[in-house]
Amino acid sequence: SSVLTQPPSVAVAPGQTARITCDGNNIGSQSVHWYQQKPGQAPVLVVYDDSDRPSGIPERFSGSNSRNTATLAISRVEAGDEADYYCQVYDSSSDHAVFGGGTKLTVL
Amino acid sequence: QEKLVQSGAEVRKPGTSVKISCQASGYTFTTYYIHWVRQGPGQGLEWMGWIDPSSGDTNLAQNFQGRVTMTRATSVDTAYMELNTLASDDSAVYYCARGRRNWGQVYYDFWGRGTLVTVS
Repeated sequence: SSVLTQPPSVAVAPGQTARITCDGNNIGSQSVHWYQQKPGQAPVLVVYDDSDRPSGIPERFSGSNSRNTATLAISRVEAGDEADYYCQVYDSSSDHAVFGGGTKLTVL
Repeated sequence: QEKLVQSGAEVRKPGTSVKISCQASGYTFTTYYIHWVRQGPGQGLEWMGWIDPSSGDTNLAQNFQGRVTMTRATSVDTAYMELNTLASDDSAVYYCARGRRNWGQVYYDFWGRGTLVTVS
């Protein structure tokens, strides 16, 4: 089954672009989904199918996926973006989901 | 408005069981699978398994096979997850989430608010 590796933490100044990576063997051949989780709250889907945004998610959130790395980019970072972010794929052969370990985004 | 409403916090002793409910509203319950995900204190998300509300079929992560039972009651649009033989490391927040399937890939478009289970 897939193993997804995320950096434990990323720090960025307000107004800059944050990039959170999700490494996996040949992850570019799968669809990657991203969730934002603020303390004490349930996860919220922010990007699905590599680069699509659910309604209500700002255009500042974007995703890409190629070869062995998927990336969530958050442009013009705001204090309210501070949260944990998780990547997720679905192994269709086993019908199991896999989550990355999560990345804590700190806005300096 | 589509939502999943979970049952309240539970406290259990080691070796006992807990059963959590997840009631769907705002959409046709049998159309989408319900997945269960847990999160230990300060930990990441751990996928547990899914149930197809239409058929009752389930698929569990290997870590939980033999210890977790997922069921549903379509009359009340509710999915249940029962975890047996609880240990202290089962203390966690348990989430249900609606699975959206797209060409064999699944993502979670919304989640319940979580149920805290404390084993002590």
